[in-house]
Amino acid sequence: ETGVTQSPTHLIKTRGQQVTLRCSSQSGHNTVSWYQQALGQGPQFIFQYYREEENGRGNFPPRFSGLQFPNYSSELNVNALELDDSALYLCASSPDRGGYGYTFGSGTRLTVV
Amino acid sequence: AQRVTQPEKLLSVFKGAPVELKCNYSYSGSPELFWYVQYSRQRLQLLLRHISRESIKGFTADLNKGETSFHLKKPFAQEEDSAMYYCALLTSGTYKYIFGTGTRLKVLA
Repeated sequence: ETGVTQSPTHLIKTRGQQVTLRCSSQSGHNTVSWYQQALGQGPQFIFQYYREEENGRGNFPPRFSGLQFPNYSSELNVNALELDDSALYLCASSPDRGGYGYTFGSGTRLTVV
Repeated sequence: AQRVTQPEKLLSVFKGAPVELKCNYSYSGSPELFWYVQYSRQRLQLLLRHISRESIKGFTADLNKGETSFHLKKPFAQEEDSAMYYCALLTSGTYKYIFGTGTRLKVLA
């Protein structure tokens, strides 16, 4: 049984660019959620995908978007990057929309310069 | 608004002493609450959830709806309990997962 894997581990982008982060969910999990974690803060919920549909969203602007694929892997896309988007982005998967809790990946560290 | 509050950024206790990590939530619906732990250089991992009423690694947490709290407790702290602890709320229906800001627990020898 594999856990949640994220790629890349580190990324540097320029303000105004677009970025795509990738996540492979744990085997048997149909739900993926994404989080932004700034230094010294708790993870902030961006959105959740269940069986390829977004079914929960936090307070993030529309330039944060995502996809979930038939194999339940997922992408997070961020357009028009801003300096404040610099953070650790965490992906997590669950077998049941989060009710049993989430299994987390190790994250992608995004730096916007 | 839905919110999770962990009032202590840092909690230091001596080995063998009792531990209580505080978590309060604000939510008008029926909450599902969780504790997550992150050990040094490891991933965030689920410690326990209120609905299962388990004891994991000696930790327990009871949901108190009257006080809107879900405090994490352990009667005798161990050095290996030193970690970052996050309380999280799952909102029913809207499936938002809200984390607190975390409490760093240091267990001193």
